[in-house]
Amino acid sequence: EPEVTQTPSHQVTQMGQEVILRCVPISNHLYFYWYRQILGQKVEFLVSFYNNEISEKSEIFDDQFSVERPDGSNFTLKIRSTKLEDSAMYFCASSIAGGPYEQYFGPGTRLTVT
Amino acid sequence: AQRVTQPEKLLSVFKGAPVELKCNYSYSGSPELFWYVQYSRQRLQLLLRHISRESIKGFTADLNKGETSFHLKKPFAQEEDSAMYYCALSANSGGYQKVTFGTGTKLQVIP
Repeated sequence: EPEVTQTPSHQVTQMGQEVILRCVPISNHLYFYWYRQILGQKVEFLVSFYNNEISEKSEIFDDQFSVERPDGSNFTLKIRSTKLEDSAMYFCASSIAGGPYEQYFGPGTRLTVT
Repeated sequence: AQRVTQPEKLLSVFKGAPVELKCNYSYSGSPELFWYVQYSRQRLQLLLRHISRESIKGFTADLNKGETSFHLKKPFAQEEDSAMYYCALSANSGGYQKVTFGTGTKLQVIP
C-alpha cells in the first residue's frame, strides 16, 4: 500500500538557521498538508496546498514558513529562521481530493531547535 | 471558528470492558467528523469517519448534531486498542479541507 514518506526523521538545528522538511506524498494525490505537534500538545494545522498554491493556512503559518512542490513528487516545508518554539513533530499529509476524503499521514519529522 | 474538544487526556479500562472516548465539536456549518488513531511508534491513521457509518476494529461513532458530539465507542476493549485517539473536524472552506484536531485521548487497556 502506498505511503507518505518524510525525511529526515529527526532534524536538529540551531536557532536562527533555516530548515527544510521534505515529504513525498502518495503519487496520485492532489492535496497536500502540513501539521505540527508540539510535545504533549495537539496536532495543529499549518497549511494546505493544491494546484501549486496555498489554499489555506493557519495563524501559525507566518512569514517564516513557506511550502513548495519543487518537482512532481516532493512537497517541502521551509522554516526560514528557526526559533526555539518551532521544536515539534511535523507531519505531512496528502489526500486524493478535497472535502471529506481521508488524509494519509507521513511518519513525521521531529525538529529540535537548540 | 471550529473547535474540537476531547475532555479526557487518559482513559484506562480493563480488557473486555466497554470503551467510550468523548468528542464534542463546535462549528457553524455542517461538519465532517473523523477519528484518527496513533499506535505506539506509528503514524496517524484514519480509524473512521461519520459519513461512511462503518465499524472499524469494532469501533463505532455516531454523529449527534443536537449534542454536537461524535463519541467513539467499542463494546469490548482489547489490549491492542491501546493508543492515542484524535477526534477531528473537517471544514470545507471553498472546496479545500482544513482539519482541526482535538487534543487526543490516550486509551490504556489493562490486561
